[in-house]
Amino acid sequence: EAAVTQSPRSKVAVTGGKVTLSCHQTNNHDYMYWYRQDTGHGLRLIHYSYVADSTEKGDIPDGYKASRPSQENFSLILELASLSQTAVYFCASSAQGGNERLFFGHGTKLSVL
Amino acid sequence: QQQVRQSPQSLTVWEGGTTVLTCSYEDSTFNYFPWYQQFPGEGPALLISILSVSDKKEDGRFTTFFNKREKKLSLHIIDSQPGDSATYFCAARDNTGNYKYVFGAGTRLKVIA
Repeated sequence: EAAVTQSPRSKVAVTGGKVTLSCHQTNNHDYMYWYRQDTGHGLRLIHYSYVADSTEKGDIPDGYKASRPSQENFSLILELASLSQTAVYFCASSAQGGNERLFFGHGTKLSVL
Repeated sequence: QQQVRQSPQSLTVWEGGTTVLTCSYEDSTFNYFPWYQQFPGEGPALLISILSVSDKKEDGRFTTFFNKREKKLSLHIIDSQPGDSATYFCAARDNTGNYKYVFGAGTRLKVIA
């Protein structure tokens, strides 16, 4: 079974601080994604990547940066955390960009105070 | 912006009953529709999916129906079990070659014994 591991599982950050969420996959998948989950909004795509050292903007990229230093690792960076970024963040991977299933991590619950 | 509308927001059914969840969309380029199941504290996991060339796909107690003319899809769960209690997301992907899924807001299902 494909495995996507996120760290930390939860985090409390202060407004204006820097936050880094990490994701590691052992699936040998090329595609990785960062989603944000808010009540009433489902999952919204922040950034994605289909090859190491390259990232693409998703539907809601403002206030977020992403880094893909290797095929296995994909990070989401909040340079200046804001209250509105309080949410649950999910990392996912897929074998290809086609109609391949997404394998999600367990999520990171971020609270910005 | 591409959207997928999902209803109802929440639903309670008796054990053994049939659950029906629905989604609608407007973008005619959508051609692949997966349903994801999410248990509390976990990431979503693929439950069942359908391509726009089909009108029905069945997997055990779960069946998804697709109506291209009305731009609607549904998920039917027969003999609903308490273990089916979860949040269900429909999603859609277009045929333009991008790698993004659009998710509905989710339906929270509770099956009571």
